[in-house]
Amino acid sequence: AQSVAQPEDQVNVAEGNPLTVKCTYSVSGNPYLFWYVQYPNRGLQFLLKYITGDNLVKGSYGFEAEFNKSQTSFHLKKPSALVSDSALYFCAVRDNHGNNRLAFGKGNQVVVIP
Amino acid sequence: EPEVTQTPSHQVTQMGQEVILRCVPISNHLYFYWYRQILGQKVEFLVSFYNNEISEKSEIFDDQFSVERPDGSNFTLKIRSTKLEDSAMYFCASSERGQGAYGYTFGSGTRLTVV
Repeated sequence: AQSVAQPEDQVNVAEGNPLTVKCTYSVSGNPYLFWYVQYPNRGLQFLLKYITGDNLVKGSYGFEAEFNKSQTSFHLKKPSALVSDSALYFCAVRDNHGNNRLAFGKGNQVVVIP
Repeated sequence: EPEVTQTPSHQVTQMGQEVILRCVPISNHLYFYWYRQILGQKVEFLVSFYNNEISEKSEIFDDQFSVERPDGSNFTLKIRSTKLEDSAMYFCASSERGQGAYGYTFGSGTRLTVV
């Protein structure tokens, strides 16, 4: 069964500094990988996905993520964090074998300090 | 931008009562899902629904749970006899196709509190 690990509970970063949120996955076959963000009292908003092709994926709000097959990782990055990036970030994976369920990580709380 | 709409945003119910959580998926989407997130824990898959039937369900989705698309626009999750451990945020999602490449759109969630 597919699974995701997000090893850190909270990521603190100063505004303007680079932001990295880590994600590793386990899946049989080739993965479909996603990042979602959740602001307080809001739903899960799609940021970006990796399906195939270029390992560096660019998404919404200046975020990007790099798929690394050998390390089974899909870390989310942003070169310069904003205070408004403070939110809960979820990594998710599904396999390409036909089932439709997403497996989510536990989420990382990102706190951007002004 | 099209949205998935969920109502109510918050529901409090007594243990043993039935609850129905409602969702309006994006109109041209064909696949529908329910996920839940117990406070402080992972978002967990419950069920997927296509062509008026369940296409996949998790071990969490036992006989207490049911889903329905009663009128071609709403997609509902019913919990027959709620337990304290059903307290969670429930997210509805929809996708245009069954393949993940097309992405999933999530609603804002319904926070269910069982007392």
